[in-house]
Amino acid sequence: NAGVMQNPRHLVRRRGQEARLRCSPMKGHSHVYWYRQLPEEGLKFMVYLQKENIIDESGMPKERFSAEFPKEGPSILRIQQVVRGDSAAYFCASSTLALSTGELFFGEGSRLTVL
Amino acid sequence: KNEVEQSPQNLTAQEGEFITINCSYSVGISALHWLQQHPGGGIVSLFMLSSGKKKHGRLIATINIQEKHSSLHITASHPRDSAVYTCAVRIDSNYQLIWGAGTKLIIKP
Repeated sequence: NAGVMQNPRHLVRRRGQEARLRCSPMKGHSHVYWYRQLPEEGLKFMVYLQKENIIDESGMPKERFSAEFPKEGPSILRIQQVVRGDSAAYFCASSTLALSTGELFFGEGSRLTVL
Repeated sequence: KNEVEQSPQNLTAQEGEFITINCSYSVGISALHWLQQHPGGGIVSLFMLSSGKKKHGRLIATINIQEKHSSLHITASHPRDSAVYTCAVRIDSNYQLIWGAGTKLIIKP
């Protein structure tokens, strides 16, 4: 049973380009969480999704960032017109149930570098 | 004051020592997670607790709901245990995890 799969592991973009980060949750998991980790800092919640629904996006910047978790395929975190401040590690986690009852499993992260 | 406080921030110990990392929180929670992150590495969920105690190998996690406190213990510590350990709590009113600042642990051989 594969764990949470994130790709790409490393992504380099120039300012103004778009970054797309993908997360395939563990098999059977329908809850996906995205977190951002700036260098030398802890994790910051961005968005919580279930299949085809955004449940909580209160941690997402209002502009340039969007997330989806379609019925088929991985969850996508999309960052448009990237800026240097977007350079960070983006972690995806999944669980079978809501966090209060389900164990949380993390992917290896996608490390975005904006030049 | 942060809702989740971890101590110590940094901890250096010799191989073989018994390690304790503490986590205190000020809100009502439904679950508490302990996570491990090696330098430049991914995040591993070590434990999810809502009461009592859990053990996995050399790792033990305890939680006291009344005192709003949890501890992570490492017995017979080893250099490969060197990592950042973070506690995170899930409160009932929303879906987010509130994270502690993390404890950077270094075990010297």
